[in-house]
Amino acid sequence: AQSVTQLDSQVPVFEEAPVELRCNYSSSVSVYLFWYVQYPNQGLQLLLKYLSGSTLVKGINGFEAEFNKSQTSFHLRKPSVHISDTAEYFCAVDAAGNKLTFGGGTRVLVKP
Amino acid sequence: EPEVTQTPSHQVTQMGQEVILRCVPISNHLYFYWYRQILGQKVEFLVSFYNNEISEKSEIFDDQFSVERPDGSNFTLKIRSTKLEDSAMYFCASSDNPGFRGTEAFFGQGTRLTVV
Repeated sequence: AQSVTQLDSQVPVFEEAPVELRCNYSSSVSVYLFWYVQYPNQGLQLLLKYLSGSTLVKGINGFEAEFNKSQTSFHLRKPSVHISDTAEYFCAVDAAGNKLTFGGGTRVLVKP
Repeated sequence: EPEVTQTPSHQVTQMGQEVILRCVPISNHLYFYWYRQILGQKVEFLVSFYNNEISEKSEIFDDQFSVERPDGSNFTLKIRSTKLEDSAMYFCASSDNPGFRGTEAFFGQGTRLTVV
């Protein structure tokens, strides 16, 4: 079975500052990794995904993530956040099955 | 961009009542899913559905739950006798390949179910 741990439940950050959201996973098989964003009162939107190839993945809205197999991590970064990035962010894995396993989420609050 | 549509956005029901949550997946997708998120907790997998049958279900998906694709466009989740602990946001998703690693996979906006 696979599991996903998001180490920070809440991350306050000032506008235009960088942010990193941490995600670690455990799985006995190869995984595919995802980051989703949930804006207030909205559904889950895909930010980016790692399926294979380059370990640095670029997504929408200036976000990127790096897959580190040895550390079983897939941390999400953005060099300069905006107020509009205030949302909850979910890391998830698909361990070659037919479902996603989600982490607990990290709430990002961008302050002016 | 295509989208998965869920109705209603919010439903309040009395404990013991049956509810049906509705979803319209992307038209050319073949794989369908239900997830739920209890307030303050993780998004949890409930069930996946392909070729008119359940592909996989979690231990949460017990006999009170059922899914159906009654016609070519809708995908429904029925909860037969709701309990207070069924209160959650329910997300529908669809994809063009097994799992979420294909070309397209989208979640709906969710239905917030409140059982009173």
